[in-house]
Parts: sequence; C-alpha cells; structure tokens
Amino acid sequence: GIQVEQSPPDLILQEGANSTLRCNFSDSVNNLQWFHQNPWGQLINLFYIPSGTKQNGRLSATTVATERYSLLYISSSQTTDSGVYFCAVEFVGSNYKLTFGKGTLLTVNP
Amino acid sequence: DAGITQSPRHKVTETGTPVTLRCHQTENHRYMYWYRQDPGHGLRLIHYSYGVKDTDKGEVSDGYSVSRSKTEDFLLTLESATSSQTSVYFCAISEKEKLFFGSGTQLSVL
Repeated sequence: GIQVEQSPPDLILQEGANSTLRCNFSDSVNNLQWFHQNPWGQLINLFYIPSGTKQNGRLSATTVATERYSLLYISSSQTTDSGVYFCAVEFVGSNYKLTFGKGTLLTVNP
Repeated sequence: DAGITQSPRHKVTETGTPVTLRCHQTENHRYMYWYRQDPGHGLRLIHYSYGVKDTDKGEVSDGYSVSRSKTEDFLLTLESATSSQTSVYFCAISEKEKLFFGSGTQLSVL
C-alpha cells in the first residue's frame, strides 16, 4: 500500500555533528514537506520540496522524486535541533491530503 | 504561526460524553485539516475541509464529525468519546502548498 517510511527512527548526536535523515515513499508525489516537532510539541514547517534541493541556514533538503526518496541534512547540530522530524507526502491522486511518516527522533547532546 | 488558534488547549472528559474542538484561523485560508498524533503512529488525518461546508474524510475518520459553517472556523466533534480517542489533536491550514499547524489540543478520555 501507500507508505512513507523514515529512517533512522532514533538518532543521538553530539553538538556540532552532522546528520542525514531519510524519507522513502512508495508512489509518485505532488507535494513533500519536512517538519520539526520541538520538545514542547510545536510543529514547524521546514521545507516544501517535491523535487530538487533547498537550503535554509544549517538545514538543507533534497528530493529525488524519480527514485522516491528525500533527504534532510542537518549540519553543525545544536541542542535546539532536538525533537522529532517528520516527512509528509501528498501522493498523486490523494487530493491535497498529506500522509506523514512516523518520524525520526533526534537528540543532540551538549 | 499562520494565525491558527485551537481551543481548548487541554481537556479531560469521560467516556460517552460529546466533545467539540475548535480551530480558528484569521487569514482566510481555504484548506483546513484535523490530525491526531499518537505514539508509534505519527500524525494521521481525521478530516479536512476545502471550503465552507465542503469536507472530506481522512484515514481515521470513524467516530469523528466536522463542520465548517464559516471560513475561519473548523470544528471537530467526538459524538461519544471513547478512551481510544485520547490523543493530541492538531489543526492545520494550507498556505502556498505548505502546511502550518496550530499548537494542539491534549484530550484525555477517562
């Protein structure tokens, strides 16, 4: 069936380290977004990236739609990067409905 | 924060009672969504709306109904709350292909 799979499920880093989070999806997409949920539960939209590459400060994202995956890169991680990162996908034909992956829990230690 | 307000922020209720959660937006967005978040499941779509009185079901709509009589308000109703509906409920709006979330409602059904 239609799936969005994120890896790794958990990741622990020391401050200053770099990381790559992956999102695999099972079908063609119209829309792909990355979100960060901070430890207080707030969900923040990081990127709208159905294809190509975008950068925002220490974060960047790349989506290769033809190979059905997206990557989120975090460089020089900080403790404030801790939280859960979600990938969400609108599959073709799903009429503006986003399907979320189960997330990657990132812990950045000082 | 895209002008989204959810109320109440926290609610405790008893099994079998009706519950209504409110999502209010101030920026005239057409698309509004209700998601629930549970451990191990990520975020799952309950219902969404694409205009006044225009709504559709998501993947976990059983036991929930919605109404949108005005552009700014999207109501989620649990007609007879059950313990399985204990969750965090998030409202979201879509703006320029990106999803933005409210702060969430923590609902406990005892």
